[in-house]
Amino acid sequence: SQQGEEDPQALSIQEGENATMNCSYKTSINNLQWYRQNSGRGLVHLILIRSNEREKHSGRLRVTLDTSKKSSSLLITASRAADTASYFCATAVSGGYNKLIFGAGTRLAVHP
Amino acid sequence: DTGVSQDPRHKITKRGQNVTFRCDPISEHNRLYWYRQTLGQGPEFLTYFQNEAQLEKSRLLSDRFSAERPKGSFSTLEIQRTEQGDSAMYLCASTGGEGYTFGSGTRLTVV
Repeated sequence: SQQGEEDPQALSIQEGENATMNCSYKTSINNLQWYRQNSGRGLVHLILIRSNEREKHSGRLRVTLDTSKKSSSLLITASRAADTASYFCATAVSGGYNKLIFGAGTRLAVHP
Repeated sequence: DTGVSQDPRHKITKRGQNVTFRCDPISEHNRLYWYRQTLGQGPEFLTYFQNEAQLEKSRLLSDRFSAERPKGSFSTLEIQRTEQGDSAMYLCASTGGEGYTFGSGTRLTVV
């Protein structure tokens, strides 16, 4: 079963704009991770934020985590057409062999 | 060793046939996971190996599914008596820490 939900389900923007995706989850976690998936391919690990962290940056990516609200957001700044993909949040559930539980994803389309 | 390899990339099979998929993880990763992904959904956990031991199986893994990881290296996932509902992308991932490295997946189509 899915751990949580991503919002929005789909997002369409122009190159250069920022893209924000949100993720909610249900149970206690060790960490939360974001992955990208190009159509029909495997997932690529983008960034990991631990449960005791509130914000993390990696290049054009910024992730926030609010454990009191059980939510996270991924911000992609200055988007490019190559950022077009599906983005998934995944939670490593406490006591769960670091098993990741994925949301349903946000499909991002960046138009030139 | 540049990543996780999965074979085959695509498999079309007739309903009722058995299929087997292979995953070669990153050699130094002791943890290996199988996931299943259907169109428009996120990956769903199937099973987890630490070295050669299968430590957790999802209830999604019916008795038609079996997975092995002999000697803690590569892993196989077998589906017996395939059904149309088994059509999906089967993803393998390995990790030695927290972030996973995924293979490109095996897309199964049952006709």
